[in-house]
Amino acid sequence: LAKTTQPISMDSYEGQEVNITCSHNNIATNDYITWYQQFPSQGPRFIIQGYKTKVTNEVASLFIPADRKSSTLSLPRVSLSDTAVYYCLVGDIYDGSSNTGKLIFGQGTTLQVKP
Amino acid sequence: DTAVSQTPKYLVTQMGNDKSIKCEQNLGHDTMYWYKQDSKKFLKIMFSYNNKELIINETVPNRFSPKSPDKAHLNLHINSLELGDSAVYFCASSQEMLGTEAFFGQGTRLTVV
Repeated sequence: LAKTTQPISMDSYEGQEVNITCSHNNIATNDYITWYQQFPSQGPRFIIQGYKTKVTNEVASLFIPADRKSSTLSLPRVSLSDTAVYYCLVGDIYDGSSNTGKLIFGQGTTLQVKP
Repeated sequence: DTAVSQTPKYLVTQMGNDKSIKCEQNLGHDTMYWYKQDSKKFLKIMFSYNNKELIINETVPNRFSPKSPDKAHLNLHINSLELGDSAVYFCASSQEMLGTEAFFGQGTRLTVV
């Protein structure tokens, strides 16, 4: 499974755009890139998932370059409530016939949003 | 209704005891997981079940035994609890073929004293 590397921590201010980059140099052809958010005392929550190019939803955007060796989670106009740990995951899809599909979490990026 | 629910939320017990954590999901998902999050916040997968069948069993002491009575439930039983078992345990579920999009429960904070 591809290993991911992301900054341990980041600081931002309310209203700013935050970009968190994740490196996954050994990503495989079948791997998807997924980001999760975890607030203190809660379980991780799915934010966004992509395979290539750009994906956008109501919460964030995910930018994936052509070589897919990295990805960037973009949070527009963060607020204090966006303070959390953000995990980048790379993994393949469980195909029902092999021991795949497990989520491997790295250390995550602790984002602190300041007023 | 809570999608993935675990009970209890907090569990304090003495070394050597046996305890169980229950997990239920009402999403109709085929795959369920148990994760352990230690004091350093690392989330590590322990087990994965698909349609009641064990798929993933990471390097976990055999004191930990998952049981899946049906597709919607995956319970975790722990025998002879040790101090090092203190952690937050998360249950999660996902649809088969979309294994990387999972829904997590609120976690069970286990403290062994």
